[in-house]
Amino acid sequence: DAGVIQSPRHEVTEMGQEVTLRCKPISGHDYLFWYRQTMMRGLELLIYFNNNVPIDDSGMPEDRFSAKMPNASFSTLKIQPSEPRDSAVYFCASGGWGGDRGPYEQYFGPGTRLTVT
Amino acid sequence: GQNIDQPTEMTATEGAIVQINCTYQTSGFNGLFWYQQHAGEAPTFLSYNVLDGLEEKGRFSSFLSRSKGYSYLLLKELQMKDSASYLCAVRDGGAGNNRKLIWGLGTSLAVNP
Repeated sequence: DAGVIQSPRHEVTEMGQEVTLRCKPISGHDYLFWYRQTMMRGLELLIYFNNNVPIDDSGMPEDRFSAKMPNASFSTLKIQPSEPRDSAVYFCASGGWGGDRGPYEQYFGPGTRLTVT
Repeated sequence: GQNIDQPTEMTATEGAIVQINCTYQTSGFNGLFWYQQHAGEAPTFLSYNVLDGLEEKGRFSSFLSRSKGYSYLLLKELQMKDSASYLCAVRDGGAGNNRKLIWGLGTSLAVNP
């Protein structure tokens, strides 16, 4: 299994530009999570989906952020327009029943390091 | 409110034992997770506790006391590769489909020779 795949791994953009982050979850997982991590605030949940349906988007900072999951194997997180304070590492994670490792375990992708100048 | 507390930093010596504590105050509880995160990498799952007591997995063990809102991660026979951040996360519970985790800021562990 290839694990959770994210692209791009690094993104440098100028303030005001649109940024799109992509995620392919592990096949068979029915939950997908988008997180943002910074030194000051740690790991923050932005939004999560169950069976492609958004369940909780209370962590989405503002209307500049949007997320979609058009099918079970693909999700996007879009920031438009981007601002310097959006600079962070964005992780996508997927999960399901973990079997003997316990339920609801989340598997993280390698992350996208976003820098907005 | 929702809150998870962990020490910010810890230092230990190779071969020793270290205990990383986590206390939580959440509106509900349906499981506690420990994750390991090496610098520049993604978090990886270490352990899960939903009932009181100790769960052992090789060199790592995790303990939970629900009445005290307390957990610890115990690392034995420390190795240099154990230098990482250790994240405590609580599943709040609530509605049956809730999969939201509340995360601590992590404990940065440095293992010295």
